[in-house]
Amino acid sequence: DAKTTQPTSMDCAEGRAANLPCNHSTISGNEYVYWYRQIHSQGPQYIIHGLKNNETNEMASLIITEDRKSSTLILPHATLRDTAVYYCIVAITGNQFYFGTGTSLTVIP
Amino acid sequence: DVKVTQSSRYLVKRTGEKVFLECVQDMDHENMFWYRQDPGLGLRLIYFSYDVKMKEKGDIPEGYSVSREKKERFSLILESASTNQTSMYLCASSRAEVLLSGEQYFGPGTRLTVT
Repeated sequence: DAKTTQPTSMDCAEGRAANLPCNHSTISGNEYVYWYRQIHSQGPQYIIHGLKNNETNEMASLIITEDRKSSTLILPHATLRDTAVYYCIVAITGNQFYFGTGTSLTVIP
Repeated sequence: DVKVTQSSRYLVKRTGEKVFLECVQDMDHENMFWYRQDPGLGLRLIYFSYDVKMKEKGDIPEGYSVSREKKERFSLILESASTNQTSMYLCASSRAEVLLSGEQYFGPGTRLTVT
């Protein structure tokens, strides 16, 4: 079962930062936080993952709270192509992913 | 770039037919997966394979079987298609050391309709 809670939907203005929250209050010490997204009619795409420290790559930043009970995915300058469903997943490496239903992000022109 | 391809984007089959969904990856990944995606239910793992000729059941294997004769190819088989197997089917692959989690690369999906 999914161990995360995400808002069902969010809007963001084009060019602004999109901040997508995820609650994972029951996360254990060896579970990673992963983010994927799924653009309409495509397969999911890996974005980023982290354990304790904040992470950044060319797509996004991941901010994990100190107690690790929640995290935020940040898309620094959202574009229309970032409109997608975003999945937050917690998993131990080697264990199964549970994708849940994610957050539907709409970037508005 | 990693590429995972699926044999069809759209497929329509009749109840009782045997259905083959093919998936090919070109990155020499050891692990391959089949998921189905339904509205309100997210992605659910059907089967996965961590090596040639090896397979493991996921959460919903009933009504499905798989075949992995070559490292790059993973097939999902519906022995006798039923209407409740109408769904989007997604194939994915990953490197050996990440097995079921970590970075998985997905194909574009096959939307199967069983009538």
